[in-house]
Amino acid sequence: QVQLQESGPGLVKPSETLSLTCTVSGGSISSYYWSWIRQPAGKGLEWIGRIYSSGSTNYNPSLKSRVSMSLDTSKNQFSLKLSSVTAADTAVYYCARDRGSGWTGDYWGQGTLVTVSS
Amino acid sequence: DIQMTQSPSSLSASVGDRVTITCRASQSTSSFLNWYQQKPGKAPKLLIYAAFSLQSGVPSRFSGSGSGTDFTLTISSLQPEDFATYYCQQSYSTPPTFGQGTKVEIK
Repeated sequence: QVQLQESGPGLVKPSETLSLTCTVSGGSISSYYWSWIRQPAGKGLEWIGRIYSSGSTNYNPSLKSRVSMSLDTSKNQFSLKLSSVTAADTAVYYCARDRGSGWTGDYWGQGTLVTVSS
Repeated sequence: DIQMTQSPSSLSASVGDRVTITCRASQSTSSFLNWYQQKPGKAPKLLIYAAFSLQSGVPSRFSGSGSGTDFTLTISSLQPEDFATYYCQQSYSTPPTFGQGTKVEIK
């Protein structure tokens, strides 16, 4: 059973960079796309982007100028960086596996709340 | 981006009821449409992918139908554990986009 776990600071100051890591267990990070999705409190879901095991990426155009993703196959981890954050970036951030055929999240992490505040 | 619109935004139903949730896309997504269930404080759970395919482990009372721009999620006999928020999501084009959610509450 594949499991994902997000980790990183729960509080980030405005204008700084949000950094999160997702650790995958129960399966290899190879041969799949790995994604980040976020959800502001009481609101809907927003896809941030994905990274393939080869390192190729796709980002949401609305966030593309501020997002970067990377992965470390030796640690079975992938990471998200979101720069120049504002209060609007406060949300629960989820990592997920994409089973393919477009984007379909079949395994998700439990989510981690990131608050942007000084 | 393709806009996804769900109706209703919320509904009240009783255990045993048949429940139908509708999702409409702003342009055709063929059959690239997924459904998720989310309970408070939890991550979304994949129920249906590719419009009508049941994800492994999901009870058969859940079913999906539709193609093009109009899709439906049906729960044939609502169970206590089904009270949650349901989201549709198109996987036809990047970025994938979600509906605003339908909250299913106890009547």
